[in-house]
Amino acid sequence: EDKVVQSPLSLVVHEGDTVTLNCSYEVTNFRSLLWYKQEKKAPTFLFMLTSSGIEKKSGRLSSILDKKELFSILNITATQTGDSAVYLCAAGGGANSKLTFGKGITLSVRP
Amino acid sequence: GAGVSQSPRYKVTKRGQDVALRCDPISGHVSLYWYRQALGQGPEFLTYFNYEAQQDKSGLPNDRFSAERPEGSISTLTIQRTEQRDSAMYRCASSFFRDLSGEQFFGPGTRLTVL
Repeated sequence: EDKVVQSPLSLVVHEGDTVTLNCSYEVTNFRSLLWYKQEKKAPTFLFMLTSSGIEKKSGRLSSILDKKELFSILNITATQTGDSAVYLCAAGGGANSKLTFGKGITLSVRP
Repeated sequence: GAGVSQSPRYKVTKRGQDVALRCDPISGHVSLYWYRQALGQGPEFLTYFNYEAQQDKSGLPNDRFSAERPEGSISTLTIQRTEQRDSAMYRCASSFFRDLSGEQFFGPGTRLTVL
């Protein structure tokens, strides 16, 4: 059975801190790993990773995939209160290309 | 609108009633996905379509659940004879690409409460 595990489940930091969010996966016929940010509404897309070792960056956020060790990390530098959200990781694969999501990591950034 | 829309946003129904949840994907998007999200959990895959063809319905919990996308655009998820355990957020997502070749964009969801 396909599985995605995220850690830690929750995290509290202060503004300006750097955080690393972890995601490990076991997915048949892996194709891609996606990160989403979920506030009170719909998950919003952050990154899609398909190749090992290539970092993707968007402002203070960056992510990298390790297909040998089956994990990905999402880094957020100089955190702001607006970064407070649930961060979801999803791995895609299988014959019919479905996404398997982790439970999410709740990040709280205190002023 | 530019994004994925879903209706109704909230639905309260009595046990045993049928409900139909609608998803309007982003115009031109090929793939459409249905998920169910319980509180404190990530979205759980239900089914997906490429155009009007249902590609995988392995995530549908039982035969009370069905989905269609007859013209390759709007989709309806139908739950017959609802039960209290069906209460959840039902989310729809669409993608320009087929089969996980690109990112999925999520709608705001329909919060279903079965009394």
